[in-house]
Amino acid sequence: EPEVTQTPSHQVTQMGQEVILRCVPISNHLYFYWYRQILGQKVEFLVSFYNNEISEKSEIFDDQFSVERPDGSNFTLKIRSTKLEDSAMYFCASSENGQETQYFGPGTRLLVL
Amino acid sequence: AQSVSQHNHHVILSEAASLELGCNYSYGGTVNLFWYVQYPGQHLQLLLKYFSGDPLVKGIKGFEAEFIKSKFSFNLRKPSVQWSDTAEYFCAVTSGYSSASKIIFGSGTRLSIRP
Repeated sequence: EPEVTQTPSHQVTQMGQEVILRCVPISNHLYFYWYRQILGQKVEFLVSFYNNEISEKSEIFDDQFSVERPDGSNFTLKIRSTKLEDSAMYFCASSENGQETQYFGPGTRLLVL
Repeated sequence: AQSVSQHNHHVILSEAASLELGCNYSYGGTVNLFWYVQYPGQHLQLLLKYFSGDPLVKGIKGFEAEFIKSKFSFNLRKPSVQWSDTAEYFCAVTSGYSSASKIIFGSGTRLSIRP
């Protein structure tokens, strides 16, 4: 069964550094999402992406964040100048169309020191 | 704004006990409802979903959920739990109208099953 994959599984970075989290969505899916889960808190929506542009973003998704689909398979989340409070598990998800089930990747655990 | 409430933060049951996890949502329009499960060390997996039709939906591993529109509820049930059901369970909702619908998650219920 096709799966969403994410790399790396863990990332440790220094405050102020840039990180890029990578996702490979399921191949025939057209809608892509990023969510995050701070330890002990609920899973929160960050951004949705369709047709090479952002469809919706939350208030968390400020100028520090950006997303890109650099080629036909990868979907990336860039965090510029990371802060301590960016430490979280980041999940990528994809769906065939915007109303169908979203399938989640295994997540990237980001730790900002 | 949409929100999802899960009433139980942590539920502890013995094997073979019956399970019901509560979920209420607030949203005035058409919604799609989900239960996701996260087993220890694994990623979020879909247990079941409700889009329309029969309000009693059956999912994987013997789970079911009932959508009660008048109560804005979508409770998860299983008649007899197993030790392998130990996991975190998330109720979630998306808008039935918009494309690229974001998922609004509840805070999760940690289920611990005593062997």
